Amino acid sequence: QQQVKQSPQSLIVQKGGISIINCAYENTAFDYFPWYQQFPGKGPALLIAIRPDVSEKKEGRFTISFNKSAKQFSLHIMDSQPGDSATYFCAATRDSGGSNYKLTFGKGTLLTVNP
Amino acid sequence: DTGVSQNPRHKITKRGQNVTFRCDPISEHNRLYWYRQTLGQGPEFLTYFQNEAQLEKSRLLSDRFSAERPKGSFSTLEIQRTEQGDSAMYLCASSSLPTGPGTSGISPWAQYFGPGTRLLVL
Repeated sequence: QQQVKQSPQSLIVQKGGISIINCAYENTAFDYFPWYQQFPGKGPALLIAIRPDVSEKKEGRFTISFNKSAKQFSLHIMDSQPGDSATYFCAATRDSGGSNYKLTFGKGTLLTVNP
Repeated sequence: DTGVSQNPRHKITKRGQNVTFRCDPISEHNRLYWYRQTLGQGPEFLTYFQNEAQLEKSRLLSDRFSAERPKGSFSTLEIQRTEQGDSAMYLCASSSLPTGPGTSGISPWAQYFGPGTRLLVL
């Protein structure tokens, strides 16, 4: 059973455009939703994260939008750059009280930003 | 470099051989995690330690897999009698147990990953 569904599988965007990656989760116990960026041959790097008590979190060109009732969240990359070309993973876990231990990941989105 | 380190970065072995990977977490991180990532998939949780205690193991971790974290520092993941299906990237992550609430929405128990060990079983 896939608890975190991610789409699209791949995405091609022109430089300066907006990249949007969507995720949906099933487990209502999840309360922490990080996004990771992974370049080929590297481990995932923590990018940005959100909790359900806020609907939006912005850091630089990266924004997470969160819809608790729909159990969906998305990553928006503004002014996408060729250097943003990577695989992006959404993840979810139960984090309350330090119980965070198992991240459940989506299958990933391969983003290509054309110059 | 104070990040998570993993060795070796690449390992090629023949089916039936045993392999061992090492992970050195970020200094003073109490928790250490192992994940497996196959091509085109997200990482899948295998097991985790809090200090030297192994607290959770996924059903993905068959009897051929064993992980240790002696003295609560580095960790090793051993695979015995490797099979071709074991070919994957093995990722290690670590996190701390700080007293503060975290910053910028990032959990104080945020997991930071190493570069991984890519295993190919022939």
